[in-house]
Formats: sequence, structure tokens, C-alpha cells
Amino acid sequence: EPEVTQTPSHQVTQMGQEVILRCVPISNHLYFYWYRQILGQKVEFLVSFYNNEISEKSEIFDDQFSVERPDGSNFTLKIRSTKLEDSAMYFCASRGPWSEKLFFGSGTQLSVL
Amino acid sequence: RKEVEQDPGPFNVPEGATVAFNCTYSNSASQSFFWYRQDCRKEPKLLMSVYSSGNEDGRFTAQLNRASQYISLLIRDSKLSDSATYLCVVNPPGFQKLVFGTGTRLLVSP
Repeated sequence: EPEVTQTPSHQVTQMGQEVILRCVPISNHLYFYWYRQILGQKVEFLVSFYNNEISEKSEIFDDQFSVERPDGSNFTLKIRSTKLEDSAMYFCASRGPWSEKLFFGSGTQLSVL
Repeated sequence: RKEVEQDPGPFNVPEGATVAFNCTYSNSASQSFFWYRQDCRKEPKLLMSVYSSGNEDGRFTAQLNRASQYISLLIRDSKLSDSATYLCVVNPPGFQKLVFGTGTRLLVSP
């Protein structure tokens, strides 16, 4: 089965530093998402992306966050100045044009110290 | 009221048991409903979509009650490998996002 791949699997950073989380969605998919899950809490929607622009974002996705699809295959999430509370597992997901099924990557565990 | 509400559990059952999970959602206009499974510190994986008429996939049966805004998942003949967290997921109308419940943890013991 095709996969969404995410790198790195773990990222440790200092508070205030910028991080970029990378994702390669499934090749023929058109809709891309970032979700996060703080340890012990539910999976939370951050942002959806379609046709090279943000289609929807949550309250969590403030000015410190941005997404980009720089080259037609990668989909990145940037956090400009990380805070302790940004520590979480970040999941990338994608889906095809005619399907409701969301495919998730295995996640990047971000730890902000 | 939370958008999607689930009993966190854990539900402890012996192998072979039948177990049922419930979920309620707040937006009555929601159109799409799903059960996802999540293993510890792994990504969510789609278990099954939930249709108005109810649907079955092997040992798993999902039901939707729109009038009560209630979704259920029944697992028959539980296996050790069914131990996981089961996430109730709803797609609110007009939105592309999925809204996840907090999940119900299932532990199946020998």
C-alpha cells in the first residue's frame, strides 16, 4: 500500500528555535493535512492544504506556523519560534480526490526543551 | 458540548469477548463518520467508515444513529491484537478537516 512518509521521526530543539517538519504525501493525492497529538491527548487538526493554498486552519495554527509545498512532492510544516507547549507528535496526512480515506504518516515526535 | 465525545476506558476484556464502544457528536449536520485505530505512539489508521444503514467488516460492526447523534463500534470475538485505542472521527459539514474524539482504550487479555 502507498505510504505517507515523514522525516525526521524525532526532533529535539531548544525553545525559540525554528523547526521544519517534512512530509512526502502519496503521489496522486491532492489534499494535505497536518495534525498534532500532545501526549495523552486527542489528535488535533492544524491545517489543510489544497491547490497550493491553505483551505482551512485551526486556532492552534497561529502566525508561528506555516506550511509549504515547495516542489510538488514535499509538504512541510514550519514552526518559527518553538515553545515548550509545541512538544507533540505531528502527523502529516493526505487523501485522494475521490476518497474520504485519510492516510497518515508515522509522525514526527517534536520535543522542545 | 465537545464536538466528539467518547468514554476513554480502558475496557478490559478477555479474549473471545464481545465489546462495544459508543461515541456522540455535537454537529447534527455532520455527514461522514469513521472509526480509526491507534496503537501506542503510532499514527491513526482507518478501521472503517460508518454508514447510515450500519456496516460490518469481519468481526467489526459500526452503527450510526443520526437522531441521537450517536455512533457505535462492536467487536466480536476479541483478539489480543485488538488491544489499541479506538478513535471516533467525524467530518463536520463544510469542512475538510476530521474531528477526532479522545479515543477509547481497549485491553484484551489472554
